[in-house]
Amino acid sequence: ETGVTQSPTHLIKTRGQQVTLRCSSQSGHNTVSWYQQALGQGPQFIFQYYREEENGRGNFPPRFSGLQFPNYSSELNVNALELDDSALYLCASSLGGTHSGNTIYFGEGSWLTVV
Amino acid sequence: AQSVTQLDSQVPVFEEAPVELRCNYSSSVSVYLFWYVQYPNQGLQLLLKYLSGSTLVESINGFEAEFNKSQTSFHLRKPSVHISDTAEYFCAVSEWGNTPLVFGKGTRLSVIA
Repeated sequence: ETGVTQSPTHLIKTRGQQVTLRCSSQSGHNTVSWYQQALGQGPQFIFQYYREEENGRGNFPPRFSGLQFPNYSSELNVNALELDDSALYLCASSLGGTHSGNTIYFGEGSWLTVV
Repeated sequence: AQSVTQLDSQVPVFEEAPVELRCNYSSSVSVYLFWYVQYPNQGLQLLLKYLSGSTLVESINGFEAEFNKSQTSFHLRKPSVHISDTAEYFCAVSEWGNTPLVFGKGTRLSVIA
């Protein structure tokens, strides 16, 4: 039990639609990051939020966006869905990101299928 | 930029046999190293991590990993595996200074009774 919960666990969307994935972090964790894990691959970093501001981004287009709220919840939004967006989306929270090797706690993920 | 190579995509091993899952990384600066485990239909769980100090790190369930700077490796080992160790194992690296985790593609460990 990592204390990080994600919703929904599974969903199916049509190409071109928009999706919002939600995450509730551990209480007190001021950093949340999102990863995309395609089938048979390792997770890839999408972006990170620290105290409600984006402070790091991986190689993902602007149609991937996020929000972090003061109550330790956060969202990942993806616009104009493409078939290749089908993946497991993982939320991870920590106190201070990976600075000094802080442990990052992952949720169980949201499975997104785009048809 | 850092990268991680997990040399084996699948490792089958008999129960109670030893196992080694290999991980090599590439980075031009100092790094933190991690092993995560993912059981079927679950998220990632931290197994162990190397930050500094002793190059041999251990987990509570019998796994250990050794940081080898000269070979840029962080191989995971267990002297005797159990059926319950069947899972996907991911090696990850993070450069010092609040950089995100970079993961390898994973190694699927299958323990055979």
